[in-house]
Amino acid sequence: GAGVSQSPSNKVTEKGKDVELRCDPISGHTALYWYRQSLGQGLEFLIYFQGNSAPDKSGLPSDRFSAERTGGSVSTLTIQRTQQEDSAVYLCASSVGGTANTGELFFGEGSRLTVL
Amino acid sequence: GDSVTQMEGPVTLSEEAFLTINCTYTATGYPSLFWYVQYPGEGLQLLLKATKADDKGSNKGFEATYRKETTSFHLEKGSVQVSDSAVYFCAPRFYNQGGKLIFGQGTELSVKP
Repeated sequence: GAGVSQSPSNKVTEKGKDVELRCDPISGHTALYWYRQSLGQGLEFLIYFQGNSAPDKSGLPSDRFSAERTGGSVSTLTIQRTQQEDSAVYLCASSVGGTANTGELFFGEGSRLTVL
Repeated sequence: GDSVTQMEGPVTLSEEAFLTINCTYTATGYPSLFWYVQYPGEGLQLLLKATKADDKGSNKGFEATYRKETTSFHLEKGSVQVSDSAVYFCAPRFYNQGGKLIFGQGTELSVKP
């Protein structure tokens, strides 16, 4: 597609349920990033993929959070046993990787997660 | 470690006022520097960037100069408009950290007519 696509745009779930958030990056972008934006706070880095590998998972807040990327394209962020503090907007971004990297990250519209 | 510090908001200005939003960083290398903007109800979008020392990024009347000696990338605009009301994020990109952006906490700007 023309831009980074995320789904669902809105998700309301009950505490303790699992959720999956999907990101479809710009075609040809090998680097993919997940960030979290909580109300009144900045953007918190979660995880970075280069191709299907995740060389930097340092921002995942707990082992309830995991992410994968398949075919060097679509990525899924999974949150198990959701807690109320997981409520946030989850943003995905992609960029050209490797030596062609011009630096800009392109962001999706985000998935707003509300845990009741 | 590598980090970024951004001027806190909210900032409220009258139309046509001068705007400065301060941003400084600490880094072991030389990051690329970005300003992103988030308009109400919209996603993050790139405002401007600079990739090396003394570069000046500019867009929509906004400017920022990569100052290596002061490790700063302050955002400026000479005459703000109501339509500039948004949240602005300074974001260095540290290549020794996989190229991820580290975002400042964001500065909310409100421009009154």
